[in-house]
Amino acid sequence: QITLKESGPTLVKPTQTLTLTCTFSGFSLSTGGESVAWIRQPPGEALEWLALIYWDGAPRYSPSLKTRLTIIRDTSKNQVVLTLANVDPVDTATYYCARKPPSAIHFVFWGPGTLVSVSS
Amino acid sequence: QTVVTQEPSLSVSPGGTVTLTCRLSSGSVPSNSYFSWYQQTPGHAPRTLMHTSTTRSSGVPDRFSGSILGNEAALTITGAQADDECDYYCAAYLGGGIWVFGGGTKLTVL
Repeated sequence: QITLKESGPTLVKPTQTLTLTCTFSGFSLSTGGESVAWIRQPPGEALEWLALIYWDGAPRYSPSLKTRLTIIRDTSKNQVVLTLANVDPVDTATYYCARKPPSAIHFVFWGPGTLVSVSS
Repeated sequence: QTVVTQEPSLSVSPGGTVTLTCRLSSGSVPSNSYFSWYQQTPGHAPRTLMHTSTTRSSGVPDRFSGSILGNEAALTITGAQADDECDYYCAAYLGGGIWVFGGGTKLTVL
């Protein structure tokens, strides 16, 4: 059974760095072709793709946010970590992680999401 | 920057047919099969409905179908039901490991 779950702070202050962790089971990010993405959704707004990390550790970032994002993986812990630097209230959103299986070009399994508020 | 445009809202009568569209504002996807569709009910994570533009994900009823024409993808619901009332998002894979989501369509069944 494949599961993903996001964790991290519920509240961060403006200018701080947000660190989120996606802990997954049922697949290995060491397996060729596997990848995990982060997607966010501000309250009442649309989904926004943020970043993805491939099985080989190669990262990909949204062009509009790439200067602020870092994505890394820890295959021994089955975790993917996303950091977003210099947060602003507009970064308030539910953050989801999702699995992209080998040979797929879509996101198949999603975590339940975690709501992060940015406020002083 | 590539933008994906969806109808902000649509309505359909119970039992009726509705088509949601997803259009790239500029450029093109590497292949016309690189669109996917997601369904989201309030307070829940998205659920994958359609991938490679026209393939239903496991467990998705056959009243959902996908089509593609150039840089525009479409999701058609035939025989709409009350529980189809929710938000629908498309995503386009632009290549190079980059995706972009559309603004979403809020579907009302009334």
